[in-house]
Amino acid sequence: GAGVSQSPSNKVTEKGKDVELRCDPISGHTALYWYRQSLGQGLEFLIYFQGNSAPDKSGLPSDRFSAERTGGSVSTLTIQRTQQEDSAVYLCASRLNRASTDTQYFGPGTRLTVL
Amino acid sequence: AQTVTQSQPEMSVQEAETVTLSCTYDTSESNYYLFWYKQPPSRQMILVIRQEAYKQQNATENRFSVNFQKAAKSFSLKISDSQLGDTAMYFCAFMKQNGNQFYFGTGTSLTVIP
Repeated sequence: GAGVSQSPSNKVTEKGKDVELRCDPISGHTALYWYRQSLGQGLEFLIYFQGNSAPDKSGLPSDRFSAERTGGSVSTLTIQRTQQEDSAVYLCASRLNRASTDTQYFGPGTRLTVL
Repeated sequence: AQTVTQSQPEMSVQEAETVTLSCTYDTSESNYYLFWYKQPPSRQMILVIRQEAYKQQNATENRFSVNFQKAAKSFSLKISDSQLGDTAMYFCAFMKQNGNQFYFGTGTSLTVIP
């Protein structure tokens, strides 16, 4: 009965380095979302997965951002050549499926700091 | 595009009192869903309450209730008998009926004062 987990919980990196953020959704949840939460801002939608496919990548801010999901479970968000403006909390959420009645469950987030 | 606006960045309320958080949204959709999420300092986002746009009756969950005004595109959250544990950021969110994407407001930081 574990919830959504994310790792690492905190990540400090130097400008220009690549980082990988991991999300483990609730078992059996087919829909998975990535959001970015900058200081004092709301949640910015990044990408959505249904199973292993990402029908909506419209929120990815640049081509330095990419995400994949394998086996319909774990997802990885990769940021290449990190910039200071990438510093934020990255939240992952999962839902059972796309039905409107399904609740979105969030993980605790990864706080990324780019020096 | 859908937008969600929360015009109150910060609010405070005395313990046991009632507080209302405001949210407005803009959409051309006729069927959609609205949500209030709570984010305590632990960063864990928790669903507080949801409202289906096709339902006229306002949703209620224990001490939490909403005032949904579809014509005005307003969706406020009322917290009754405020408790210290209610201290958190509160986000209003919108979801289209197809459930693809959620749109969030910038949040209201609520502090419950003992």
